[in-house]
Amino acid sequence: QVQLVQSGAEVKKPGASVRVSCKASGYTFNTYGISWVRQAPGQGLEWMGWISPYNGDTEYAQNVQGRVTMTTDTSTSTAYMELRSLRSDDTAVYYCARAPPRGGPGRGWYMDVWGKGTTVTVSS
Amino acid sequence: DIVMTQSPDSLAVSLGERATINCKSSQSVLHSSNNKNYLVWYQQKPGQPPKLLISWASTRESGVPDRFSGSGSGTDFTLTISSLQAEDVAVYHCQQHLESLTFGGGTKVEIK
Repeated sequence: QVQLVQSGAEVKKPGASVRVSCKASGYTFNTYGISWVRQAPGQGLEWMGWISPYNGDTEYAQNVQGRVTMTTDTSTSTAYMELRSLRSDDTAVYYCARAPPRGGPGRGWYMDVWGKGTTVTVSS
Repeated sequence: DIVMTQSPDSLAVSLGERATINCKSSQSVLHSSNNKNYLVWYQQKPGQPPKLLISWASTRESGVPDRFSGSGSGTDFTLTISSLQAEDVAVYHCQQHLESLTFGGGTKVEIK
């Protein structure tokens, strides 16, 4: 079955960086995009960006642009999200999710399969 | 950015009764070229990731019970649970994907 398995919880100090991994299985990795979404404690969902494993194209949300880098390793079907210059308000659960190809005139994505999430805590 | 506004923030419904959640977009998410509404609904149970329930405003995903239905077009959308079950306690999120993507703030559904 289609599965996204994320790396374990992280605790970081302000100003540090964090890298979260997301290993895909059960489908052909480079035929779907990967979106990253975070959820701060008790809050809603916040989209961070999208990457195409096929060609490496990315699109980042304005709120994290300049601090985030998304990459993929097609040899291991793994996506990565690195967030730098961490602040306390980056404390959240970070999800990777599979994004079906657009296949039409729309310029966004929805997500049909989600990983279980990685808790990132930023605290001094 | 397209802003998504959900209402109510929370609602409590008796078992077997109907639950109705609204989602409004700041601009139309209906694309005229293919007549599709770029709107999906997710269900998020406590401690779990979101799960895709409905795509294209009204298409139930495989395995989703038929008590869940989506309706609406343009800027106004509704998710209806026709007969609330205990396992439906969750937060429900709408999301547009016409331009990039944005989520609504979520609606928490509880048992009365």
